[in-house]
Amino acid sequence: KAGVTQTPRYLIKTRGQQVTLSCSPISGHRSVSWYQQTPGQGLQFLFEYFSETQRNKGNFPGRFSGRQFSNSRSEMNVSTLELGDSALYLCASSPRPPTDTQYFGPGTRLTVL
Amino acid sequence: AQSVTQPDIHITVSEGASLELRCNYSYGATPYLFWYVQSPGQGLQLLLKYFSGDTLVQGIKGFEAEFKRSQSSFNLRKPSVHWSDAAEYFCAVAPGNRDDKIIFGKGTRLHILP
Repeated sequence: KAGVTQTPRYLIKTRGQQVTLSCSPISGHRSVSWYQQTPGQGLQFLFEYFSETQRNKGNFPGRFSGRQFSNSRSEMNVSTLELGDSALYLCASSPRPPTDTQYFGPGTRLTVL
Repeated sequence: AQSVTQPDIHITVSEGASLELRCNYSYGATPYLFWYVQSPGQGLQLLLKYFSGDTLVQGIKGFEAEFKRSQSSFNLRKPSVHWSDAAEYFCAVAPGNRDDKIIFGKGTRLHILP
């Protein structure tokens, strides 16, 4: 089975722009979670989708949003980018949340200038 | 509120030495417990998980972890580390209640001395 794929792998944006990141889960997995990873804050949970519905949301401002499509692929969007949004954004998929094992993609490295 | 604590931010051990990474959790009931590893520039990979049953869990790459309910701990161990084990290790807790979410510790970075 193919693993979790994330596109793009690297992204450079400037403050004020918006960005969309994509995640394709492992075939058959219906749950997708997003995390932000920074050196200072570690892994922080952004949100989780299951069968196109947002199950949980972390403590991030409304500039961060996401959605999941009927084929379980997910996108997250960050509007009005700030310097502090520079991070590695990780996507993880699992058959069902929250106790099934999560399988992580390689991440998208976002740099905001 | 549930939480996960990894008290050691960095640990350095010599190649061939034994390793123990600590993880403590705070949760009302017995949670589901995981250890993940992240190599530089990579996503996280599951090492092992505990759901129920035998409290000593075997994982990949020669790792094991022991669940101790009385100490609310789930420490990761390896009898003899290899240079390739240098990475960051994350402990995670998932609640038994399916309405809640998984929580990750802040990670422990393992350095290996030749």
